[in-house]
Amino acid sequence: GAVVSQHPSRVICKSGTSVKIECRSLDFQATTMFWYRQFPKQSLMLMATSNEGSKATYEQGVEKDKFLINHASLTLSTLTVTSAHPEDSSFYICSARRQNTGELFFGEGSRLTVL
Amino acid sequence: QQQVKQSPQSLIVQKGGISIINCAYENTAFDYFPWYQQFPGKGPALLIAIRPDVSEKKEGRFTISFNKSAKQFSLHIMDSQPGDSATYFCAANTRFNKFYFGSGTKLNVKP
Repeated sequence: GAVVSQHPSRVICKSGTSVKIECRSLDFQATTMFWYRQFPKQSLMLMATSNEGSKATYEQGVEKDKFLINHASLTLSTLTVTSAHPEDSSFYICSARRQNTGELFFGEGSRLTVL
Repeated sequence: QQQVKQSPQSLIVQKGGISIINCAYENTAFDYFPWYQQFPGKGPALLIAIRPDVSEKKEGRFTISFNKSAKQFSLHIMDSQPGDSATYFCAANTRFNKFYFGSGTKLNVKP
């Protein structure tokens, strides 16, 4: 199966700092990547859709200045949580859509804890 | 309006039994229906997927049944094993658009 690498898997930071999470499709090209947030025992909440070379499309209620998304190449998208606060603590998961088949593959997720 | 409704929320099955999870969708334009398996602390993994031109797809112990007229699809896990204990999500989308996910089903297979 296709591999999507997400890094870091865990990060602990102090309130007010910024954290960057990387998402890479290792063996396929992904013109579109999605970023999700998942709360305990809940489904996946789509935050934004990231298209290579263009601005991300954010879902209603998601602050674009808070969650900066960059999709600089066909294999890499980054999510930066700016000025993180404890309420931003969550499990963030990226996914990449394979260009030719439309299949969606997920990264391993990143557990963010803001102290 | 919830685009994809999933049931049950949780399921307990004995080892060797059949696990069945159901999903219903609203948008008749959806043309791709994947199922994902998620273990605690991990990202979801693509398990099996179906397109509406077939009514059933089988891969090993996992089978998707698809009923286009009823706008429903289900995942069957045959000979369920304790290692299958995980949360399962159904999803749907139209090609090259965003995915809509069900609320998830937590499966517990008892030894």
